[in-house]
Amino acid sequence: DQQVKQNSPSLSVQEGRISILNCDYTNSMFDYFLWYKKYPAEGPTFLISISSIKDKNEDGRFTVFLNKSAKHLSLHIVPSQPGDSAVYFCAAKAITQGGSEKLVFGKGTKLTVNP
Amino acid sequence: ETGVTQTPRHLVMGMTNKKSLKCEQHLGHNAMYWYKQSAKKPLELMFVYSLEERVENNSVPSRFSPECPNSSHLFLHLHTLQPEDSALYLCASSQDHEWRGPAFFGQGTRLTVV
Repeated sequence: DQQVKQNSPSLSVQEGRISILNCDYTNSMFDYFLWYKKYPAEGPTFLISISSIKDKNEDGRFTVFLNKSAKHLSLHIVPSQPGDSAVYFCAAKAITQGGSEKLVFGKGTKLTVNP
Repeated sequence: ETGVTQTPRHLVMGMTNKKSLKCEQHLGHNAMYWYKQSAKKPLELMFVYSLEERVENNSVPSRFSPECPNSSHLFLHLHTLQPEDSALYLCASSQDHEWRGPAFFGQGTRLTVV
């Protein structure tokens, strides 16, 4: 049972336009969400995060929106650049059975920004 | 450079071999993780160490054996693996308790079992 879902495996946008990456979650106890970016043959790189006490967090060209009632978050990239082409993972912080913390990931969305 | 270093980057091993993956972090974090990424699947948590104590074993087969000798180093010992164990193995670290920051990942070890 997947608790974090990224229903679009891929997205293609033109350079300069907005990229919108979506993520849904099922566990209402999740209170901290992150986006990671991953290039081929590299580990995920932290991009931006948001706490459930906020509904928006912005960092340069990247903005994450959180809709708690819909259990939905989205990552907006504007303007999109060819270097943004990568796989983007949505993740939520969860508590393990041992009381520690872990990240639960979605399957990722491959973003291609065309020049 | 994320401050988390994994070696080797690539590993090919036979099913009867024994090998180890190494992870080192220089961030002063007290929690370390092993994740597995198989094709077309989400990253799956394998093990969590907090303050050098294993606090999570996510139903991982015993042919994977983690070791955390100190808060900066994490190993994953591999023996008698199967071809389906071929995947990208990622190490991560974070501040565990009162954690409000991200986990940082290493670049991963691409493992191929032949």
